Amino acid sequence: AQKVTQAQTEISVVEKEDVTLDCVYETRDTTYYLFWYKQPPSGELVFLIRRNSFDEQNEISGRYSWNFQKSTSSFNFTITASQVVDSAVYFCALSDPTGNQFYFGTGTSLTVIP
Amino acid sequence: KAGVTQTPRYLIKTRGQQVTLSCSPISGHRSVSWYQQTPGQGLQFLFEYFSETQRNKGNFPGRFSGRQFSNSRSEMNVSTLELGDSALYLCASSSGQGFRGEQFFGPGTRLTVL
Repeated sequence: AQKVTQAQTEISVVEKEDVTLDCVYETRDTTYYLFWYKQPPSGELVFLIRRNSFDEQNEISGRYSWNFQKSTSSFNFTITASQVVDSAVYFCALSDPTGNQFYFGTGTSLTVIP
Repeated sequence: KAGVTQTPRYLIKTRGQQVTLSCSPISGHRSVSWYQQTPGQGLQFLFEYFSETQRNKGNFPGRFSGRQFSNSRSEMNVSTLELGDSALYLCASSSGQGFRGEQFFGPGTRLTVL
């Protein structure tokens, strides 16, 4: 069965600190897709990244970076030099190879303190 | 391009009543998915519609139903409301069917059941 675990429920950091949000997934499929979404206080989820299981290259987008490691079934997300606007709940998610089911993790609430 | 819109934004109902929520996807998107978000269960997939057909369904009772119209707008209906149905209901649209790609989320409908 597919499962996404985000063990960190809440994280607080001081502005400009780096922070890493952990995501561990379980699946028996060899093909799957991993995602990160951000949910600011307004409630609307915002897509951040998609990664398929055959692409283990790490990705950097501005202050955001993602580390995908199949060996440990992890897809961690790092924010460099955090800002107050980064305060939100971040969700890691997994879809199966057919793309017919979608599983969210429980989310990590990040608070960036000015 | 207008984003995903959901109406109403807030609803208060009493137990036993039924409710209909509406979602208008991004223009050109044919897939609409619905999710329930609660503090206890997190984000859970309800169902997905593509070209007026329900393609996928999550693990929810039959009281939860939906439909999609020819213009891709979707409605979700919950009958015989229970207290546990109080949640944020999120709708998402995407250009293709399934969950391999990016989903665009609406702001949600906050349902309170008294």
